[in-house]
Amino acid sequence: DAGVIQSPRHEVTEMGQEVTLRCKPISGHDYLFWYRQTMMRGLELLIYFNNNVPIDDSGMPEDRFSAKMPNASFSTLKIQPSEPRDSAVYFCASSFHAEAFFGQGTRLTVV
Amino acid sequence: AQKITQTQPGMFVQEKEAVTLDCTYDTSDPSYGLFWYKQPSSGEMIFLIYQGSYDQQNATEGRYSLNFQKARKSANLVISASQLGDSAMYFCAMRERPGNTPLVFGKGTRLSVIA
Repeated sequence: DAGVIQSPRHEVTEMGQEVTLRCKPISGHDYLFWYRQTMMRGLELLIYFNNNVPIDDSGMPEDRFSAKMPNASFSTLKIQPSEPRDSAVYFCASSFHAEAFFGQGTRLTVV
Repeated sequence: AQKITQTQPGMFVQEKEAVTLDCTYDTSDPSYGLFWYKQPSSGEMIFLIYQGSYDQQNATEGRYSLNFQKARKSANLVISASQLGDSAMYFCAMRERPGNTPLVFGKGTRLSVIA
């Protein structure tokens, strides 16, 4: 298996623009997680899905953030409008049993 | 609420020596899993080792072992025979009811292996 695939790897955008991050989980995994990593706050859980259904989105910072999982092989995290404080590395991870496997991450820079 | 504490922001170890990275956790759930991940400078998160709360034996994976002390609520990572490539950030994480809840991470420990 190719592992968890995230795109793009890097994104630079201007403040106010819409940003969409994409994730393809490992086939057969039933849980999908979106995390954000910053120096100040470490690794924070944003939202997670079980069998494509959002279970807990309490980590989503504000209404500017939204996430979808239309099917078992694809999820998106959207930020609209983006702000400089959204700059971070965004990770997607998937799991079937206990272990969660991470994608390479998307480094987002909002200028 | 679950919580993970890693008290060592940074550690140094001589090549070929063993090193222990500390992790303590707090949970009221009797079923939980403990994990260690490695994050090299390239940024990816690499799963290293897993220990279930009901596992009788300490987990081992090659040069990695997890020193699980349930009564003390500690899950220290031991890396034997350190290599230069082990230099990275190491994160301890926990999942209550493993497989049904998300991972919660500690702040991490930066390990530097010296030649």
